[in-house]
Amino acid sequence: GAVVSQHPSWVICKSGTSVKIECRSLDFQATTMFWYRQFPKQSLMLMATSNEGSKATYEQGVEKDKFLINHASLTLSTLTVTSAHPEDSSFYICSARLPSRNEQFFGPGTRLTVL
Amino acid sequence: QQQVKQSPQSLIVQKGGISIINCAYENTAFDYFPWYQQFPGKGPALLIAIRPDVSEKKEGRFTISFNKSAKQFSLHIMDSQPGDSATYFCAASKGNTGGFKTIFGAGTRLFVKA
Repeated sequence: GAVVSQHPSWVICKSGTSVKIECRSLDFQATTMFWYRQFPKQSLMLMATSNEGSKATYEQGVEKDKFLINHASLTLSTLTVTSAHPEDSSFYICSARLPSRNEQFFGPGTRLTVL
Repeated sequence: QQQVKQSPQSLIVQKGGISIINCAYENTAFDYFPWYQQFPGKGPALLIAIRPDVSEKKEGRFTISFNKSAKQFSLHIMDSQPGDSATYFCAASKGNTGGFKTIFGAGTRLFVKA
């Protein structure tokens, strides 16, 4: 149980375009999902906390207008990277929290490359 | 106060040996301490976790030792195998009060030599 999927697993796009990444909890309902960014050989950096039915809470230094997060249902959160630039190239990972518990389960990640 | 410090940065262990990774935290409000294993190009996977009311937790070859007074916890991998070669992250999180958040350590790259 507690499986989280992400789609796509990798994406290549041109500079200036927008990319949407989906995160789904497959076998449980997640009221809270998280979006992380990870650069090579570095730790996970929390970008934002996504609560179902409300606005996401962004970490300091993360541009909310650039990284749009939508958590429209208890099993789906999306991250849209708007007007992507090469410096946005990274590994984006989502996680979902089991309700009323501390356990987080991570998706397999999405490798974004902006040309 | 939100940091979780992890060491060593990298570790090389012979097959069959014991791998030990250490973490220290500052915020006593943390109430859940998980360890994650991450292979290249994959998302982190929950390996084992402990709560501060327990000093040790063992699951198979993996053991967490927790020292509440010292605010330290460690992961021991017994009989280390080449398949254990991965990056390991410790983390600390606190529950609903003030919002749920997980703070990750910097990671330890483990290489187990065959």
